[in-house]
Amino acid sequence: KQEVTQIPAALSVPEGENLVLNCSFTDSAIYNLQWFRQDPGKGLTSLLLIQSSQREQTSGRLNASLDKSSGRSTLYIAASQPGDSATYLCAVIPSTSGSRLTFGEGTQLTVNP
Amino acid sequence: ETGVTQTPRHLVMGMTNKKSLKCEQHLGHNAMYWYKQSAKKPLELMFVYNFKEQTENNSVPSRFSPECPNSSHLFLHLHTLQPEDSALYLCASSQDWGLTQETQYFGPGTRLLVL
Repeated sequence: KQEVTQIPAALSVPEGENLVLNCSFTDSAIYNLQWFRQDPGKGLTSLLLIQSSQREQTSGRLNASLDKSSGRSTLYIAASQPGDSATYLCAVIPSTSGSRLTFGEGTQLTVNP
Repeated sequence: ETGVTQTPRHLVMGMTNKKSLKCEQHLGHNAMYWYKQSAKKPLELMFVYNFKEQTENNSVPSRFSPECPNSSHLFLHLHTLQPEDSALYLCASSQDWGLTQETQYFGPGTRLLVL
């Protein structure tokens, strides 16, 4: 059974710092990996989707990498801003499951002004 | 309206009540999903509908009953719930259940409290 783990569970940084969020998954047989953002009490917003054949994706100040063989992904946020404060969720689609997303518990990020 | 909408946004119900959650997507998608998000736990997939047909039931108790009358609307009927069912219930949609290169679009959720 696929399991997704995110470290750290919570992170607090001053504004302007570059930071890295980590995600690991137990089964490397995946179709893709996605990073989502969730604001308190709200739904999820997709940030980046990396197909299994890709190694990274970039969007603005965000860069996500994927090392499928080692079961790891990182989300890099450059020059963090208070508006980046949210919970960041990592999810994979295992190769055996159609489009079923398996989520990690998330990293709660606070960027302090 | 655009995207995925959910009503109500907040719901308090007793264990003997019957209520329904509604989800509507305006994206022309064919797949719709219900997820449960409890405190300190990962999101759990509950049900998947693809072209109005249920394709996944993730061992959800029968006190949760989904309904998908068309590709744009999804309901979750609730009856005789337990306090541990209190959670954020999220609806999502995507182009097709089998398209793994597509992301899912989420609604804002219904915050449910069962007393």
